[in-house]
Amino acid sequence: DAGVIQSPRHEVTEMGQEVTLRCKPISGHDYLFWYRQTMMRGLELLIYFNNNVPIDDSGMPEDRFSAKMPNASFSTLKIQPSEPRDSAVYFCASSRQGADTGELFFGEGSRLTVL
Amino acid sequence: TQLLEQSPQFLSIQEGENLTVYCNSSSVFSSLQWYRQEPGEGPVLLVTVVTGGEVKKLKRLTFQFGDARKDSSLHITAAQPGDTGLYLCAGDADKIIFGKGTRLHILP
Repeated sequence: DAGVIQSPRHEVTEMGQEVTLRCKPISGHDYLFWYRQTMMRGLELLIYFNNNVPIDDSGMPEDRFSAKMPNASFSTLKIQPSEPRDSAVYFCASSRQGADTGELFFGEGSRLTVL
Repeated sequence: TQLLEQSPQFLSIQEGENLTVYCNSSSVFSSLQWYRQEPGEGPVLLVTVVTGGEVKKLKRLTFQFGDARKDSSLHITAAQPGDTGLYLCAGDADKIIFGKGTRLHILP
């Protein structure tokens, strides 16, 4: 079975540009999570969905960040406009149950560099 | 705000040595997970502990959940270069949070 698939793997952009990160969760998983990882702050939960519905977006840094899940097999995380401090590795993860009892399956991440 | 503090942040030891890394919090967690992350990849689950005092073994790795379910430890016996990586603990009270991890490097 394919794991969680993220694209792009790497993105370099200039400050002010729009960035869209994409995620395809594992088929049959009903939870989807977006995390951001930096050396300083570690792995931070941004938002998670259950059955395509956003449940908790309290980790989204500010209004420049938005996430959608139009169907069970696709999610996007958009940053508009991007800033240098958004540079990080963004991970998508999916789970068949709530993450407190179920294993989180992570994608390989999207490394974002904002110049 | 629930925090998971992991220690040490960095650890570099010789192959064959034993080591223990820690995950501590002031909060109680219903369960705690340990993940390992290698460069350029996402974290991969090693184990989930649920019961206070629980001990789980995975080959040379021994995981323990504290009696009060606020802390956990990971002990590696006879470390090998393949154990190198970032070890993350993750706990849930009302949502999943991760510690910043222990970056382990095993020297051959």
